[in-house]
Amino acid sequence: KAGVTQTPRYLIKTRGQQVTLSCSPISGHRSVSWYQQTPGQGLQFLFEYFSETQRNKGNFPGRFSGRQFSNSRSEMNVSTLELGDSALYLCASSFLQGRTGELFFGEGSRLTVL
Amino acid sequence: EDKVVQSPLSLVVHEGDTVTLNCSYEVTNFRSLLWYKQEKKAPTFLFMLTSSGIEKKSGRLSSILDKKELFSILNITATQTGDSAVYLCAVGYGGSQGNLIFGKGTKLSVKP
Repeated sequence: KAGVTQTPRYLIKTRGQQVTLSCSPISGHRSVSWYQQTPGQGLQFLFEYFSETQRNKGNFPGRFSGRQFSNSRSEMNVSTLELGDSALYLCASSFLQGRTGELFFGEGSRLTVL
Repeated sequence: EDKVVQSPLSLVVHEGDTVTLNCSYEVTNFRSLLWYKQEKKAPTFLFMLTSSGIEKKSGRLSSILDKKELFSILNITATQTGDSAVYLCAVGYGGSQGNLIFGKGTKLSVKP
């Protein structure tokens, strides 16, 4: 069974540009969450999607947005990039049956903003 | 403000040592506490705890939750160099499946 797949794995952008990151969850998983990981702040929740609907959103500015498609694949977008957006962006999926709480993480997309 | 605090932030031990990692939390509508291991990129799931006093075990790793004192510990016995990683504690709350509050992690280095 394939794991969570994130693309691209690495990317470099300049300030003011925008970026789109993609996440394919484990087959059968319908919930996708996004996290930002930085050395100073650790893992911080961005948003969660289930059945193409955003269920929760973390405390990030409106420049951060996302969506989920009917096949559960998800994308997140960051507009008007700032230096502080440099981070590892992790996607996680879960199978919503009961309330197990276990998330399966992808290997992340490493974004560097110059 | 909800928070999860891990200690120590880093730890260096030698193979064969036993280590205890700590996680305390203050989270409204607590649902579960989870431990993850992050070696390079993707955190991998270790344990989920929802009830106090019930130890979860997997090989040399074990964990327990105290919901009265709001903390959990992760024990690793007979450590090996392959245990070197960042160990993350996270708390799930409310009805959300995917929204976890993470601690900043404990970086464990196991020397041969």
